[in-house]
Amino acid sequence: QQQVKQSPQSLIVQKGGISIINCAYENTAFDYFPWYQQFPGKGPALLIAIRPDVSEKKEGRFTISFNKSAKQFSLHIMDSQPGDSATYFCAAAGNQFYFGTGTSLTVIP
Amino acid sequence: DTGVSQDPRHKITKRGQNVTFRCDPISEHNRLYWYRQTLGQGPEFLTYFQNEAQLEKSRLLSDRFSAERPKGSFSTLEIQRTEQGDSAMYLCASSRGRSGNTIYFGEGSWLTVV
Repeated sequence: QQQVKQSPQSLIVQKGGISIINCAYENTAFDYFPWYQQFPGKGPALLIAIRPDVSEKKEGRFTISFNKSAKQFSLHIMDSQPGDSATYFCAAAGNQFYFGTGTSLTVIP
Repeated sequence: DTGVSQDPRHKITKRGQNVTFRCDPISEHNRLYWYRQTLGQGPEFLTYFQNEAQLEKSRLLSDRFSAERPKGSFSTLEIQRTEQGDSAMYLCASSRGRSGNTIYFGEGSWLTVV
């Protein structure tokens, strides 16, 4: 059973545009929601994370929006750049981390 | 570099052989995780340790897989009698304490079973 559902599977955005990736979870025991960025051949690297007591967290061009009642959270990448082209994973954590299936983002110059 | 270190980075083995991967976590981290990732998929939980104790194992972890973390420092993941379906990237991660603390991944160990 997929603990975290992520969409879309792939995303193409023009340079300067906004990239939006969505995730949903079921287990209300999860208390930490990170996003990871992964480049080919590399391990995932933490991008930004949020706890369920806040509805939004912003770090530079990256923002997480969190809706506790809907059990959904999303990543917004503002002013998307070609260097942002990578695979993005959402995760939900309790004692262990469960990952979404990933979104392949391509930013076109 | 004081990040999570994994060795070897790449391993090609014949079906039926045994392979072992090593992970050195960030030094002050007491939790260590093993994940498996195949192309186009997210990391899939295999097992985790708190110090030297293995606290949880996924049902995905068949009897051919065994992990150890002697003395609560580095960890090894051994796969016995490898099968082609074991071909994947094996990721190690570590964190300080329980949930709410970020896990940091290593670069992964690629396994190809031929």
